[in-house]
Amino acid sequence: KAGVTQTPRYLIKTRGQQVTLSCSPISGHRSVSWYQQTPGQGLQFLFEYFSETQRNKGNFPGRFSGRQFSNSRSEMNVSTLELGDSALYLCASSLGSNMNTEAFFGQGTRLTVV
Amino acid sequence: DAKTTQPTSMDCAEGRAANLPCNHSTISGNEYVYWYRQIHSQGPQYIIHGLKNNETNEMASLIITEDRKSSTLILPHATLRDTAVYYCIVWAAGNKLTFGGGTRVLVKP
Repeated sequence: KAGVTQTPRYLIKTRGQQVTLSCSPISGHRSVSWYQQTPGQGLQFLFEYFSETQRNKGNFPGRFSGRQFSNSRSEMNVSTLELGDSALYLCASSLGSNMNTEAFFGQGTRLTVV
Repeated sequence: DAKTTQPTSMDCAEGRAANLPCNHSTISGNEYVYWYRQIHSQGPQYIIHGLKNNETNEMASLIITEDRKSSTLILPHATLRDTAVYYCIVWAAGNKLTFGGGTRVLVKP
């Protein structure tokens, strides 16, 4: 069974540009959550998608957005990149049902903004 | 807005049991206790979770107090590869999974 796949693994962008990150969840999982991890702030929740709808949202500006497709794959977009957006972006997938099961994380996309 | 409190760091001797405490005094009735660990620059790895009964799997044991206000993760025989940041999280399905600062565990030879 394939795990959570995030692409690309590494990315370098320039300030002001926009970026799209992709996450393919484990087959059968309907929930995808996104996290930003920086040395200073730790792991911070961005948003969660379940069945193509945003179900939960963290405290990030509107420059951070996401979506989920009918096959549960998710994308995250950051517009007008700032230096502070440099971080490891992680996604996690879970069944997303009302039963508490574990969430599985991908290896992340390391974004560097220069 | 993490709902758990963990020590910032702890050391453990290789081959000995590592006991990682976590306080979650405001846990709700439908929230489970989850443990994850993160080895440098990798995605967090699921370890174990439980509601109120003690749980054990091939990686660790989870002991939850009767009042559910605290728990302990036990790594029975710590190895150098267990060096990581360990996160204790309380989570109910449908809610966001929020991480705190975790405990940085260093296993020493």
